[in-house]
Amino acid sequence: EDQVTQSPEALRLQEGESSSLNCSYTVSGLRGLFWYRQDPGKGPEFLFTLYSAGEEKEKERLKATLTKKESFLHITAPKPEDSATYLCAVQASGSQGNLIFGKGTKLSVKP
Amino acid sequence: NAGVTQTPKFQVLKTGQSMTLQCAQDMNHNSMYWYRQDPGMGLRLIYYSASEGTTDKGEVPNGYNVSRLNKREFSLRLESAAPSQTSVYFCASSERGQKNQPQHFGDGTRLSIL
Repeated sequence: EDQVTQSPEALRLQEGESSSLNCSYTVSGLRGLFWYRQDPGKGPEFLFTLYSAGEEKEKERLKATLTKKESFLHITAPKPEDSATYLCAVQASGSQGNLIFGKGTKLSVKP
Repeated sequence: NAGVTQTPKFQVLKTGQSMTLQCAQDMNHNSMYWYRQDPGMGLRLIYYSASEGTTDKGEVPNGYNVSRLNKREFSLRLESAAPSQTSVYFCASSERGQKNQPQHFGDGTRLSIL
């Protein structure tokens, strides 16, 4: 069964304190792994797509990496505005674009 | 450029009532999706439409029906609402046929069933 597990469920950081979020996945052929950011009361906002092991993508203070079993979202010197829930999703080979989502990591960055 | 627009934003229903959630996208995407998001459960796929004229069941389709009205619009209908359908509903769209195209989401409909 295709599955996505995110850890930790919640993470509290001080401003400037770097850390990483984990997304472990089990899928019958990975077609793509997606990271989203979700603010309270809003829909998920697309951040990155990763296609194959070894790939990395960066955007401002965020960097996403991918191995054959997991992905990490590294947050460097976070700011309070980075506070949000971060969602990971996978797309399996043979699917019609359907995504399987993890439950998310709620990040809080305190000034 | 609005992206994905969902209406209404909030709705309260009584058990047994029916209603239709509306979704429209202006990105000329072929594929559209309906998800529900519940605390501690993550996003779960209800129905999807890979292209205009087709619809398929997702992970949790029971109690719902969908209509792909045209390329832009994809509606979700609750025929007889139940308290278990209290949730936040998200519509999404993506390009089909392109490798790994991301889904783009609306801001959701918050539905409470009493």
